[in-house]
Amino acid sequence: KAGVTQTPRYLIKTRGQQVTLSCSPISGHRSVSWYQQTPGQGLQFLFEYFSETQRNKGNFPGRFSGRQFSNSRSEMNVSTLELGDSALYLCASSLGRGPTNEKLFFGSGTQLSVL
Amino acid sequence: GENVEQHPSTLSVQEGDSAVIKCTYSDSASNYFPWYKQELGKRPQLIIDIRSNVGEKKDQRIAVTLNKTAKHFSLHITETQPEDSAVYFCAAMETRYDKVIFGPGTSLSVIP
Repeated sequence: KAGVTQTPRYLIKTRGQQVTLSCSPISGHRSVSWYQQTPGQGLQFLFEYFSETQRNKGNFPGRFSGRQFSNSRSEMNVSTLELGDSALYLCASSLGRGPTNEKLFFGSGTQLSVL
Repeated sequence: GENVEQHPSTLSVQEGDSAVIKCTYSDSASNYFPWYKQELGKRPQLIIDIRSNVGEKKDQRIAVTLNKTAKHFSLHITETQPEDSAVYFCAAMETRYDKVIFGPGTSLSVIP
């Protein structure tokens, strides 16, 4: 079974631009979560989607948004990029909904650099 | 919302010694506590987890303990080996909501 796939692997953008990151979960997984990872800050929760609905959201500004498609693939968008948005963005999928389904499987991440 | 604290932020041990990482959580409704290991340049992977109806769980050299009253849980690694060197993240979750909140991580170095 294929793992969680994130594209692109690396991105370089300039301030003010916008960016879209993509995540394909493991087949059969319906929950997709997004995390921002920076040195010293660990894994900061962005949002979580299940069956095309955003169920949970972290404490990030409205410039960060996402969506999930009917095939469970998810995209994350960041508008009006700032230097502080430079980070590794990790996507994780799980079966979702209920005990024993919580194990997260992470993708390799998208390394975003904002110049 | 849930907040998870983790200590220490860095830890160095001699090969063969034990390592202990401690975490506290704020939301008493949290009932699932996983630990993830992230080796340098790799993705985080689940190494062990514990539910709120269990006080301790072991898997070979690693064990996790949970004190629900005090709202803290710990990871214990015995007989450490160089391949245990990584960043370890604790996390907390209330299983009705698929929102896993992570601690800031502990960078463990095992010195041969």
